[in-house]
Amino acid sequence: GAGVSQSPRYKVTKRGQDVTLRCDPISSHATLYWYQQALGQGPEFLTYFNYEAQPDKSGLPSDRFSAERPEGSISTLTIQRTEQRDSAMYRCASSLAGAATDTQYFGPGTRLTVL
Amino acid sequence: AQSVTQLGSHVSVSEGALVLLRCNYSSSVPPYLFWYVQYPNQGLQLLLKYTSAATLVKGINGFEAEFKKSETSFHLTKPSAHMSDAAEYFCAVSDRNTGNQFYFGTGTSLTVIP
Repeated sequence: GAGVSQSPRYKVTKRGQDVTLRCDPISSHATLYWYQQALGQGPEFLTYFNYEAQPDKSGLPSDRFSAERPEGSISTLTIQRTEQRDSAMYRCASSLAGAATDTQYFGPGTRLTVL
Repeated sequence: AQSVTQLGSHVSVSEGALVLLRCNYSSSVPPYLFWYVQYPNQGLQLLLKYTSAATLVKGINGFEAEFKKSETSFHLTKPSAHMSDAAEYFCAVSDRNTGNQFYFGTGTSLTVIP
């Protein structure tokens, strides 16, 4: 696609519910990143994919968080048994090949609110 | 691990005045350095990046940044602020060796006063 898209843009859920966030990267991009951005903070790395492989998920805060990219394109981030502290903006980015010098292209984010 | 410090969470300048947003990194090996801008309700957009070519990097919208190894800094400047520059600015680094983790600063909100 022309840019990175994310859905939904806003999600309000009750504590204890599961949520799934979706990211559709730029179609030619091999690498996809997930970030969590708390209010007043910069994005914090969660995990990334090279095509469907997930080499690094060290940033996922707990085992309630998981991500997948089964066909190497669209990715989903799932948070199980949500907690209020999970409330944040979740950002997805993609880059051409995942090199350290590659530009990351960001989607508009999903604002998650856990009540 | 890399870290980035942005001094000043809020900066206000008058329209036409110099913009200076500060970024310092901590790493024994100079990382790759980036500045991103975030407009309201939009994703982050790359302004410029330093990847060990020229130390003075020019970006979009008249912004530039200079990599200073002795000061471990990568401050962002623009000679004359425009109202449209009002946004959130993030400095980020990536590790030359590991590459795939990007570390962002906490951001600086720029206000331009007419």
